[in-house]
Amino acid sequence: AQSVTQLGSHVSVSEGALVLLRCNYSSSVPPYLFWYVQYPNQGLQLLLKYTSAATLVKGINGFEAEFKKSETSFHLTKPSAHMSDAAEYFCAVSGYNFNKFYFGSGTKLNVKP
Amino acid sequence: GAGVSQSPSNKVTEKGKDVELRCDPISGHTALYWYRQSLGQGLEFLIYFQGNSAPDKSGLPSDRFSAERTGGSVSTLTIQRTQQEDSAVYLCASSLAGSGGGSPLHFGNGTRLTVT
Repeated sequence: AQSVTQLGSHVSVSEGALVLLRCNYSSSVPPYLFWYVQYPNQGLQLLLKYTSAATLVKGINGFEAEFKKSETSFHLTKPSAHMSDAAEYFCAVSGYNFNKFYFGSGTKLNVKP
Repeated sequence: GAGVSQSPSNKVTEKGKDVELRCDPISGHTALYWYRQSLGQGLEFLIYFQGNSAPDKSGLPSDRFSAERTGGSVSTLTIQRTQQEDSAVYLCASSLAGSGGGSPLHFGNGTRLTVT
């Protein structure tokens, strides 16, 4: 079975501080992994994706994520938080032998001035 | 190019009425997904289309929910005899080739359904 776990439904950081949003996946086959961001009253926007190329993936808005197979993790990071990063972030997994995208429950990021 | 378009953006309906939600995917995207997002909840998978066929309807919560896709393009999600627990944001997403090729989902802005 495939699943995604996001640790921490709410994360709060100060502006300029490191952002770390955690995602662990469970997949019986090599996965494709994605991070999405959702701003209020909008759909989900793709931040970045891992599709078995480089394990360190750079995305938009200065975010990046590292695929660690040994830890079954795909944590999202950004060196310096900006107020505009306040949003909800979703990790998702899919794979070549199943037709669903499995989403985590989301992490709301709050950025304090 | 145009992204995924959903209409209406907001819908208020009375309990017991039927509603239709429309999704226009990105041109050329063969896969189309419907998800439901309830207040404070994550994304709940409803149904997946590859072309006009729906190989996976496992997420539809009851037989009041149905969906179709025509011409490999536009999809309609229909909810019959709406109930208050159907209130949620319904998100549509399309993908170039489904999950098997690593293609990401592209989401619309959703339809916010409120059942009074």
